[in-house]
Amino acid sequence: DARVTQTPRHKVTEMGQEVTMRCQPILGHNTVFWYRQTMMQGLELLAYFRNRAPLDDSGMPKDRFSAEMPDATLATLKIQPSEPRDSAVYFCASGEPGQFFGPGTRLTVL
Amino acid sequence: GENVEQHPSTLSVQEGDSAVIKCTYSDSASNYFPWYKQELGKRPQLIIDIRSNVGEKKDQRIAVTLNKTAKHFSLHITETQPEDSAVYFCAGAWEYGNKLVFGAGTILRVKS
Repeated sequence: DARVTQTPRHKVTEMGQEVTMRCQPILGHNTVFWYRQTMMQGLELLAYFRNRAPLDDSGMPKDRFSAEMPDATLATLKIQPSEPRDSAVYFCASGEPGQFFGPGTRLTVL
Repeated sequence: GENVEQHPSTLSVQEGDSAVIKCTYSDSASNYFPWYKQELGKRPQLIIDIRSNVGEKKDQRIAVTLNKTAKHFSLHITETQPEDSAVYFCAGAWEYGNKLVFGAGTILRVKS
């Protein structure tokens, strides 16, 4: 049963530190999405890629967030510098049209 | 752009009763409507989806109906069980592979 995987599952860091989250999409899925989930904001789309090319990153704070797909098996989301308001669960999803979500990275910025 | 509204925000039902969650969308070009179930601390999971060329789809105790004219679609869960308790999200999208726009979610509680 193919699944999206994400690392790390939990991350606690201090304000100002760099955070990198990684995602391995389901093999053969060409579309990859990054979401952020908080209690207040629900599921927010941060960025998405098709065939490794960024299609839309309008949901991402550009000054501190960056998303890349170095190859077809790896997507990364980086926050530098991190802030307490970035604390959330970050999900990666792959597939089209139905998206399949990874287990998420729970980020806490102190 | 697309906007998806979901109601109710919370829903409590007695075990065995039916539950209905409704969503409306704004973009008449949307043609794909999935539903996700998210249990506490878990990932959202795709439970059923429907395309705009179909009016209804059923999978065991869950069904989704779509009214293109009125631009709304609904999730129906029959014979609810405690394990159905979760947050349910609807979503809409236009065209294959395009980004999904999610509703705000419905917290479903099934009381035993």
